[in-house]
Amino acid sequence: DSGVTQTPKHLITATGQRVTLRCSPRSGDLSVYWYQQSLDQGLQFLIQYYNGEERAKGNILERFSAQQFPDLHSELNLSSLELGDSALYFCASSVARTSGSREQFFGPGTRLTVL
Amino acid sequence: AQSVTQPDIHITVSEGASLELRCNYSYGATPYLFWYVQSPGQGLQLLLKYFSGDTLVQGIKGFEAEFKRSQSSFNLRKPSVHWSDAAEYFCAVGTYSGGGADGLTFGKGTHLIIQP
Repeated sequence: DSGVTQTPKHLITATGQRVTLRCSPRSGDLSVYWYQQSLDQGLQFLIQYYNGEERAKGNILERFSAQQFPDLHSELNLSSLELGDSALYFCASSVARTSGSREQFFGPGTRLTVL
Repeated sequence: AQSVTQPDIHITVSEGASLELRCNYSYGATPYLFWYVQSPGQGLQLLLKYFSGDTLVQGIKGFEAEFKRSQSSFNLRKPSVHWSDAAEYFCAVGTYSGGGADGLTFGKGTHLIIQP
């Protein structure tokens, strides 16, 4: 158990809909990272928040957004969903501000299926 | 921008045999390197990491990896594999510079199959 929790575990929805994925980092970790894992793209970094503020963006679509709350949990919002958004979405947390300086601990993931 | 290449998509090894999974990276400075393992339906578990210092690093579950700057490689090894090692293995590089895209950059993964 990494100490990172994600809810829900599975999510099935229809095209055009909007969903919210939730992540609680390990106690004491200030950074939250979101990743998408799909068969064709592999594991891709989406976005990072550090202590409530957006710090870095990767390959995140404009239809996707995230935020980190004062209690440090984070939510990833996916809107106008398309079939191609079906994937496993991981949250990871770290004590560090940058991805290189300390290891990241991954949650179990949320499997999103868009029908 | 950094990149990671794992040349082997699948590797099959007999139980008890030795294992080496290859990883090559591209990064403009000294990299921070990681190996993660993902079992079916599970999240990613950190096996080991290299930040600096000794180029041979030890990890969990009997794994080790060697950083070779001249070859831009960070290969994962295990002297004797167990059936429970069957999983997907990911090599990743992290940055420590500010600004722009950050987050770990992962290779495509190597699927390890253990033969009895």
